[in-house]
Amino acid sequence: RKEVEQDPGPFNVPEGATVAFNCTYSNSASQSFFWYRQDCRKEPKLLMSVYSSGNEDGRFTAQLNRASQYISLLIRDSKLSDSATYLCVVTPMNTDKLIFGTGTRLQVFP
Amino acid sequence: NAGVTQTPKFQVLKTGQSMTLQCAQDMNHNSMYWYRQDPGMGLRLIYYSASEGTTDKGEVPNGYNVSRLNKREFSLRLESAAPSQTSVYFCASQGSLGTDTQYFGPGTRLTVL
Repeated sequence: RKEVEQDPGPFNVPEGATVAFNCTYSNSASQSFFWYRQDCRKEPKLLMSVYSSGNEDGRFTAQLNRASQYISLLIRDSKLSDSATYLCVVTPMNTDKLIFGTGTRLQVFP
Repeated sequence: NAGVTQTPKFQVLKTGQSMTLQCAQDMNHNSMYWYRQDPGMGLRLIYYSASEGTTDKGEVPNGYNVSRLNKREFSLRLESAAPSQTSVYFCASQGSLGTDTQYFGPGTRLTVL
């Protein structure tokens, strides 16, 4: 079983739609959680951290469920510019190594 | 402030050739990393350096060596390239343990024929 699992997609949604991605992780001792965004042929960039209390940044909301070991990302009012691959990232306890999921591809169409 | 820079951006090698990928960061970060990214595999850690003078193996270190030349620079060397090493290579740096984010360079696209 992979340490971090994501649905690869693609998710094809119209502009203005709400879309949600889930990610599961296997190591219950994981301590930090992130969503990174990666545009085609570019490097990954941090989108947002995920806290136990949830985290909202404009149209983006991230949630963490430690009991079920999953992380979610909700994007409201999708824009064309949201088209990218979204990487779920987990940090095991007492390490600064990141474990990446394979990513979920989002395509927003007009 | 350039962040993380990598050279070269593209490279084509023949099987058995050697090369070094260069990475530098100007953010005074302690930790630096080398990843490879392949379709359907996600980013996989090759080697990392938690501080100047230390290096450790990641998930896929075979066929690679690294050097943490100083706090700014972390190079990745392929001694004898193989077609299985065709990939996109990313360097990253991180300031502190745990909550700090990793910043990535633009990547090197390597093809081994």
